[in-house]
Amino acid sequence: DAKTTQPNSMESNEEEPVHLPCNHSTISGTDYIHWYRQLPSQGPEYVIHGLTSNVNNRMASLAIAEDRKSSTLILHRATLRDAAVYYCILRDVPGGNMLTFGGGTRLMVKP
Amino acid sequence: GAVVSQHPSRVICKSGTSVKIECRSLDFQATTMFWYRQFPKKSLMLMATSNEGSKATYEQGVEKDKFLINHASLTLSTLTVTSAHPEDSSFYICSASHLREVDTDTQYFGPGTRLTVL
Repeated sequence: DAKTTQPNSMESNEEEPVHLPCNHSTISGTDYIHWYRQLPSQGPEYVIHGLTSNVNNRMASLAIAEDRKSSTLILHRATLRDAAVYYCILRDVPGGNMLTFGGGTRLMVKP
Repeated sequence: GAVVSQHPSRVICKSGTSVKIECRSLDFQATTMFWYRQFPKKSLMLMATSNEGSKATYEQGVEKDKFLINHASLTLSTLTVTSAHPEDSSFYICSASHLREVDTDTQYFGPGTRLTVL
């Protein structure tokens, strides 16, 4: 799987939008961009994924650069419950099911 | 949504004993189940990939005789840590891929099992 680069940590204020960046300059044409997050002492949970177009769901939005070398996970209004480690992962489908987790971004939300 | 459970959520055992952790997909059939280990403040590390009815595939550096994986059905996989030692203390997390979502490859994770070996 191609590698991703994320900031180690970010801070946000409650009720404000958060933009979590991810660089993936070696992405291939068949790689999907997946985001998972892990709340403290819990297993990761799926957030969103996309291939080329921007995506929205009830949890977040995913903005994908036109050249696909970077993407941004957008939380529209951060809450204290959004404090977690966010992982950006590339998946070459159908290259296998395993996920390779990098360091992720630890998001801290201040009240 | 797809739900994966793990049991137990927390276990404390003595050094030298074996511990079994169950992973179940509650409302879907899983083509594949995965076992991860996570040490404090670290990221998840894949231990093994498990397909129903076949032998698990272990990642490099993971002892297959120490971490026994049994995948008896499309909804159940077990990880047995044999002859546990304090260095095996960790957070063990399983995940499952939905049989009908192979195109997007989304994985659903269990809540994790915290193992402490005294």
